[in-house]
Amino acid sequence: DTEVTQTPKHLVMGMTNKKSLKCEQHMGHRAMYWYKQKAKKPPELMFVYSYEKLSINESVPSRFSPECPNSSLLNLHLHALQPEDSALYLCASSQGGYTGELFFGEGSRLTVL
Amino acid sequence: AQSVTQPDIHITVSEGASLELRCNYSYGATPYLFWYVQSPGQGLQLLLKYFSGDTLVQGIKGFEAEFKRSQSSFNLRKPSVHWSDAAEYFCAVGPYSSASKIIFGSGTRLSIRP
Repeated sequence: DTEVTQTPKHLVMGMTNKKSLKCEQHMGHRAMYWYKQKAKKPPELMFVYSYEKLSINESVPSRFSPECPNSSLLNLHLHALQPEDSALYLCASSQGGYTGELFFGEGSRLTVL
Repeated sequence: AQSVTQPDIHITVSEGASLELRCNYSYGATPYLFWYVQSPGQGLQLLLKYFSGDTLVQGIKGFEAEFKRSQSSFNLRKPSVHWSDAAEYFCAVGPYSSASKIIFGSGTRLSIRP
């Protein structure tokens, strides 16, 4: 069982919709990540929160808006997405300030129509 | 430039046969090396990691990997594969200090022949 929980597992949205992806971890980790993964590709880093502050934004379009309400929660707000944004969105966490072991959730499969 | 190369896109092995997945890296400093596995429709799970010490590291699910500095390689091995090992395998490299700088290889898809 994964210790990083992502909801929803599947999401279908139109290009004018606003939706959110949610991620939760209870391992006491202080760094949380959003990755985007297209089929047959490795994960691509989008955002990193370290100690609840946004520390890395990999030049992600503003239609993706991350939020970290507290050290256990991470959201990704979606608005005006394009069909090419359809992908598996993975949340991960790590101990923060520690070596690079990432704990991944099972992902949210997003389809943009 | 820092990079990770997995030269095999897809490998098929028979159940019970041995397995070796290749990984080569280019990294300026002492790397922190990982192998992750991703089953279909799932997230990634860490199989094993190496930073220093014994160059042969043991991981979960019966996997091991050997770090060879002279060859810049970190190949993953398993003596006898099971059908449940069918998955995508990613090699990754990063600095000791920052998980956010991990670089993933392109992945190797493993299929198991009954």
